[in-house]
Amino acid sequence: DGGITQSPKYLFRKEGQNVTLSCEQNLNHDAMYWYRQDPGQGLRLIYYSQIVNDFQKGDIAEGYSVSREKKESFPLTVTSAQKNPTAFYLCASSIQTTTSKETQYFGPGTRLLVL
Amino acid sequence: KQEVTQIPAALSVPEGENLVLNCSFTDSAIYNLQWFRQDPGKGLTSLLLIQSSQREQTSGRLNASLDKSSGRSTLYIAASQPGDSATYLCAVLYGNKLVFGAGTILRVKS
Repeated sequence: DGGITQSPKYLFRKEGQNVTLSCEQNLNHDAMYWYRQDPGQGLRLIYYSQIVNDFQKGDIAEGYSVSREKKESFPLTVTSAQKNPTAFYLCASSIQTTTSKETQYFGPGTRLLVL
Repeated sequence: KQEVTQIPAALSVPEGENLVLNCSFTDSAIYNLQWFRQDPGKGLTSLLLIQSSQREQTSGRLNASLDKSSGRSTLYIAASQPGDSATYLCAVLYGNKLVFGAGTILRVKS
């Protein structure tokens, strides 16, 4: 059963704490992405990775970090420097980053709440 | 700046009606335009993808059109059903980046 999994479904962060959101895909896709969704707004790109051991900042990378050590995995760390982390976080993947024919496939999301 | 706008923000219709959702974009140098569906608290599901050289795509009761020169796309849903209730997101691919609109929340009443 191919797809993208994200865990946990809900995550609570205390002030000053770093937390890591997991994203795994078994679609054999090269490209992976992290988006943030706030109520009433479209998705905004945090980071993306075109290939293993490479990643690029998106529009709102400040306060976040990522790694891409394996093709299947693209974890996102929300650091204490991110002052407004409460949001719905979505991970996606695609065959390649720049192709007009292919869509992105999305995971079920992680909701991050601040205690 | 590359921006995507969706109108209306919310729409409520009785079951069986045909409806149109609108999307506009500021930069016409697009690779493709995509329509997604999002159910509450869930991820996105791709509905239709229109490449920049195409004018429309159809899937079942859904039809999406693209007019690059005017920077507009429409998603037409025929014979709406309560199961169509969801948020519909328009997204435009520019190079490596997919730029999203804020979405239209659709409610189909039975």
